[in-house]
Amino acid sequence: AQSVAQPEDQVNVAEGNPLTVKCTYSVSGNPYLFWYVQYPNRGLQFLLKYITGDNLVKGSYGFEAEFNKSQTSFHLKKPSALVSDSALYFCAVRDNQAGTALIFGKGTTLSVSS
Amino acid sequence: EAGVTQFPSHSVIEKGQTVTLRCDPISGHDNLYWYRRVMGKEIKFLLHFVKESKQDESGMPNNRFLAERTGGTYSTLKVQPAELEDSGVYFCASSQELGNTGELFFGEGSRLTVL
Repeated sequence: AQSVAQPEDQVNVAEGNPLTVKCTYSVSGNPYLFWYVQYPNRGLQFLLKYITGDNLVKGSYGFEAEFNKSQTSFHLKKPSALVSDSALYFCAVRDNQAGTALIFGKGTTLSVSS
Repeated sequence: EAGVTQFPSHSVIEKGQTVTLRCDPISGHDNLYWYRRVMGKEIKFLLHFVKESKQDESGMPNNRFLAERTGGTYSTLKVQPAELEDSGVYFCASSQELGNTGELFFGEGSRLTVL
């Protein structure tokens, strides 16, 4: 069965510092991996995805994520956090061999202090 | 281009009542998905339409939930009769790509509170 784990409910960083939001996954086949962000009272917005190719993918707002097959991880990173990055972040996975559903983690709240 | 729109944004009903949520996907998007998030938990898949057909409804919790997409445009999700555990935020999403590699475009969600 497919699953996604986001081990941290909340991540706190100071503005200007690097940030990492962790995600691990479990699928039967090859994973398609996604990160979404939700700002207050808004819908989820797509940030980036890994389908195939280069393990380091770059996305919106300066975010990037690294696919690590051996560790089954897809951590979200940004070199220098902004206060405006404060939001709820969701990792999601699709198994390329099992259906069409995108499976989400429970989300990590990122709080960036000035 | 208009995004995915959902109505109502918030609904408060009594246990046993009926509620119908509506989703208008981005024009031209054949794929439409319903998801639900209970407070503090993961966003759970409910079902997937391709045009008017149900491609995958494995996430529908029980037969109190009925989803339709007549004509392959907007979709409705009816809960009848509502129970306390149905409370949560119901998200609709749409996508154009037929394969599994495309990102989804989400609406702002419909918050359902069952008292």
